[in-house]
Amino acid sequence: KAGVTQTPRYLIKTRGQQVTLSCSPISGHRSVSWYQQTPGQGLQFLFEYFSETQRNKGNFPGRFSGRQFSNSRSEMNVSTLELGDSALYLCASSITSGRALSPYNEQFFGPGTRLTVL
Amino acid sequence: TQLLEQSPQFLSIQEGENLTVYCNSSSVFSSLQWYRQEPGEGPVLLVTVVTGGEVKKLKRLTFQFGDARKDSSLHITAAQPGDTGLYLCAGDGGATNKLIFGTGTLLAVQP
Repeated sequence: KAGVTQTPRYLIKTRGQQVTLSCSPISGHRSVSWYQQTPGQGLQFLFEYFSETQRNKGNFPGRFSGRQFSNSRSEMNVSTLELGDSALYLCASSITSGRALSPYNEQFFGPGTRLTVL
Repeated sequence: TQLLEQSPQFLSIQEGENLTVYCNSSSVFSSLQWYRQEPGEGPVLLVTVVTGGEVKKLKRLTFQFGDARKDSSLHITAAQPGDTGLYLCAGDGGATNKLIFGTGTLLAVQP
């Protein structure tokens, strides 16, 4: 079956602009989590969406937001971009929203969207 | 705040050599996972260790969870160029589907 897909794969924006990234989970998966990966901070949790509701949020400013649609596809938005927002944004899908390391709820990651802010 | 420190940060070895990567924390984790991330891809789950002292083997990879469940190691025997990638340990972030990732170990295996 098809894996997690993310679009676009690469994006270049300038400071002050906003950006929307898209994630399509594996068919049948209802939870989508977003992560930011940078060389300095590593992989950090942004938020999780399940049944169109945000379940958890990491320690990021309000400029980072997201939503989930009824077909489980998710989008994340970053407004007023800053240079420090340059990163690889990864989404992960899982069957349900539950204990993170449960063997019955493995998270599958997409290839990411590489965002560069100039 | 739970932190997972990995060492070494970088490792460059020749094909056929053995290596060990460490993942340490001051906090107790109920379980830990190991992922490998290749360039241009997202992390892929390798293993989950859930019991203190547990050892799991995946072909040439051996994973161990510390008795106190504060640390874990990954040992690769006879490394191959295909093992090249970023190795990440991850623990439960205390909320649904929230993973806390380690600082990462970038492995390069030269042919």
